[in-house]
Amino acid sequence: NAGVMQNPRHLVRRRGQEARLRCSPMKGHSHVYWYRQLPEEGLKFMVYLQKENIIDESGMPKERFSAEFPKEGPSILRIQQVVRGDSAAYFCASSPRIPDGNTIYFGEGSWLTVV
Amino acid sequence: GEDVEQSLFLSVREGDSSVINCTYTDSSSTYLYWYKQEPGAGLQLLTYIFSNMDMKQDQRLTVLLNKKDKHLSLRIADTQTGDSAIYFCAEIKKVDKLIFGTGTRLQVFP
Repeated sequence: NAGVMQNPRHLVRRRGQEARLRCSPMKGHSHVYWYRQLPEEGLKFMVYLQKENIIDESGMPKERFSAEFPKEGPSILRIQQVVRGDSAAYFCASSPRIPDGNTIYFGEGSWLTVV
Repeated sequence: GEDVEQSLFLSVREGDSSVINCTYTDSSSTYLYWYKQEPGAGLQLLTYIFSNMDMKQDQRLTVLLNKKDKHLSLRIADTQTGDSAIYFCAEIKKVDKLIFGTGTRLQVFP
């Protein structure tokens, strides 16, 4: 059973371009979470999704950022018109239900660099 | 406060015990976690504790939970250079998401 898969692991974008980060949850998991880690900082919650629904997006910037988790395929975190301040590590996690105990699994992260 | 708080740095000598402290925010949090992150890497779940427990031991790791003070600690016995990393505590808030602390950078010197 593969773990949470994120790709790309490293992504370089020029200012103004779009970045798409993908997350394939563990098999059987229907809940996905995205976190952002700015350099030298902790992880900040961005968004919580279930299949085809956004449950909690209280941590998402209001502009340029969007997330989806379609019925088929991976979850996508999309950043439009990237700026230098978007440079960060983006982590995805999945769980089979509302998280408890050791049911939350993290991916290895996607490192976005905006030049 | 709104933030899960941790001290930023801890430096210990190899072989000594390390104690990393955390103050969390939500007295109704059901689970509390400790994660380890090495440079450029993802998160490794070290251990977690259910809120009805006050202590959990797992090999070199001991977690203490004081619910009254909303204080969580992680003790690493016989600290090794390989334990050098950033350690994050986290709580489950409002049943639906993990909220992380600011992280404690542990440096182990010979």
